[in-house]
Amino acid sequence: SQQGEEDPQALSIQEGENATMNCSYKTSINNLQWYRQNSGRGLVHLILIRSNEREKHSGRLRVTLDTSKKSSSLLITASRAADTASYFCAFNTGTASKLTFGTGTRLQVTL
Amino acid sequence: DTAVSQTPKYLVTQMGNDKSIKCEQNLGHDTMYWYKQDSKKFLKIMFSYNNKELIINETVPNRFSPKSPDKAHLNLHINSLELGDSAVYFCASSQGGAGPTYGYTFGSGTRLTVV
Repeated sequence: SQQGEEDPQALSIQEGENATMNCSYKTSINNLQWYRQNSGRGLVHLILIRSNEREKHSGRLRVTLDTSKKSSSLLITASRAADTASYFCAFNTGTASKLTFGTGTRLQVTL
Repeated sequence: DTAVSQTPKYLVTQMGNDKSIKCEQNLGHDTMYWYKQDSKKFLKIMFSYNNKELIINETVPNRFSPKSPDKAHLNLHINSLELGDSAVYFCASSQGGAGPTYGYTFGSGTRLTVV
C-alpha cells in the first residue's frame, strides 16, 4: 500500500503540553502536507513542506521532513483544547495532482 | 462565503437507489477531487478533474460516475447503491494540475448512509 502510516494513532495530552505526531511513507515525494480534521468537518490545510526543505514553521506548528528516512513529524507547541482533532499527513508523489493521505492521529487536549 | 460547498450534507437512501452529490468551488482553482473517507477515517482518492478533464480515476466501481460541467463544479453520481458505499465523501479543489504546490481546500463532506 502507498498509504502513509502515522503514529501514534491516538494521543492525549494536557493543555499547554507539546504534541508530536509522526508520518512515514514509502515512495519519493514532491511535497508533504499536514491537515487537521475536526469531528464531523472537512479537512483544513495546515502546512506544506517541499522535498528539498528540512524544517518549516507556522505559528505553533513545526514540521520536519527527513527524505532519507521517508518520514515527517508535526509538532504542536503549547497545545490548546481547540487543537483537539485528527491530524493527517498527505504527500504528493508524481506529476499527477494526487495527494495520498496517512492513517491519521487523533489528538485529545484536555484542560 | 463558502469556498468549497457540497450538497447534500447528509444522504440516507436504500440499497439499489441512484443518488448524486454536487460540489462547487468559488476559488478559481483548476483542479477538483472526490475523496472517500471510510469508518476508520481512511481517505482515498476517487477522481480528479483538471479544467473539466478527467486526470485521475482510481480503482472505483463504474457505478460511480463523476461529471464536471465546468472547472468550478464537480458532481458525483452513484448508481445502484450498496451498503459498502456508506462513507463520507469529500470534494476538494486545488490550483495546479501537475502536482499541488499548495494545499487542497476541502468541502465539509457528504455523509452517505445506505440502508
